[in-house]
Amino acid sequence: TQLLEQSPQFLSIQEGENLTVYCNSSSVFSSLQWYRQEPGEGPVLLVTVVTGGEVKKLKRLTFQFGDARKDSSLHITAAQPGDTGLYLCAELPGNQFYFGTGTSLTVIP
Amino acid sequence: DAGVIQSPRHEVTEMGQEVTLRCKPISGHNSLFWYRQTMMRGLELLIYFNNNVPIDDSGMPEDRFSAKMPNASFSTLKIQPSEPRDSAVYFCASTSEGARGYTFGSGTRLTVV
Repeated sequence: TQLLEQSPQFLSIQEGENLTVYCNSSSVFSSLQWYRQEPGEGPVLLVTVVTGGEVKKLKRLTFQFGDARKDSSLHITAAQPGDTGLYLCAELPGNQFYFGTGTSLTVIP
Repeated sequence: DAGVIQSPRHEVTEMGQEVTLRCKPISGHNSLFWYRQTMMRGLELLIYFNNNVPIDDSGMPEDRFSAKMPNASFSTLKIQPSEPRDSAVYFCASTSEGARGYTFGSGTRLTVV
């Protein structure tokens, strides 16, 4: 079983600040996905990264896949209250169907 | 498409009662997953189906839990008898080989008192 550890577990910041959260695996990802879960809802897919070293941007969110495909980061620029939620990483559904431990982000207005 | 539909959204039941959670996956998706989410353990995979066949139920906590998928458009997760430690949010998700990833339902918040 692939272990997906995310850090930090909790993060509380002021609106406008920047932040980075991390996802690390005990083994190589085939490809990795990031999801955001808002309170009372299920996780929603944000992005899929496939190639080692790949960088994808989604407005103020920047996703990076490690060169060795064992880690990934999510950077948020100028965080807004609407970014509040639980951020989860997971391998693309295929052989593994496990999610990371999650980072709970609170952006304070 | 209406997305993955779960019912009920909330369920409060007494210990020892039977609980049935329901899920309608996205039409055309051939894989269905049941997850349980708690603060302590995060999102845990309970069981998944491929083409209506249970493939891996190793995450099912014990014999009190059972899941069925009688057809491509419906699945149930049953807990009998329920216990307070079963209190959690239960999510259903579906996907298929050509899909971008999981599509989750809004979950069922189960409270066993």
